[in-house]
Amino acid sequence: GAGVSQSPSNKVTEKGKDVELRCDPISGHTALYWYRQSLGQGLEFLIYFQGNSAPDKSGLPSDRFSAERTGGSVSTLTIQRTQQEDSAVYLCASMTGGGGNTIYFGEGSWLTVV
Amino acid sequence: DQQVKQNSPSLSVQEGRISILNCDYTNSMFDYFLWYKKYPAEGPTFLISISSIKDKNEDGRFTVFLNKSAKHLSLHIVPSQPGDSAVYFCAASPHSGNTPLVFGKGTRLSVIA
Repeated sequence: GAGVSQSPSNKVTEKGKDVELRCDPISGHTALYWYRQSLGQGLEFLIYFQGNSAPDKSGLPSDRFSAERTGGSVSTLTIQRTQQEDSAVYLCASMTGGGGNTIYFGEGSWLTVV
Repeated sequence: DQQVKQNSPSLSVQEGRISILNCDYTNSMFDYFLWYKKYPAEGPTFLISISSIKDKNEDGRFTVFLNKSAKHLSLHIVPSQPGDSAVYFCAASPHSGNTPLVFGKGTRLSVIA
């Protein structure tokens, strides 16, 4: 497709389980971001990949969160030992280059931890 | 410490009138600003942007104004339409460098018919 694609669109998981969220960025976009939005909150930056550079992980809330980007394209965000406070919509976005350009978001993966 | 602040969590406007959404920032390195619009159960979509070399950018019913000295920007929607009802996020970034966009918490706009 032409846009950023995320899967699953919805995920309900039990507390303590691991989850993986996938993002397919727009073809040719070298920059990829993960944000999340918890209920009633703004968009919280999690992690940023730009080309072959080391990712900016400064927004990851704990060491239970990790992300990788294989082959400069698809990215997976992994949350280990999920907690109820991890419930949020996880948004992936991509951009053509570094800094100052428009980012384009996917529809999000809605995670509910019960 | 919020670098991008949208102090009004919600705004209600009558159809046909002007909607004004405000955003303040604290980081003087920011020089590229964007507005995103988000409907429920959808990802945010890009609406309009402005670079610090300008003080105004217009696209149809949407105009963004930037006041660098006050570190303030605003989004004007005129005339407002019921379909404009959504959450609007302000975002900022240095134009150069590999840094992510910093978003405000959003303002929920309700346009009443």
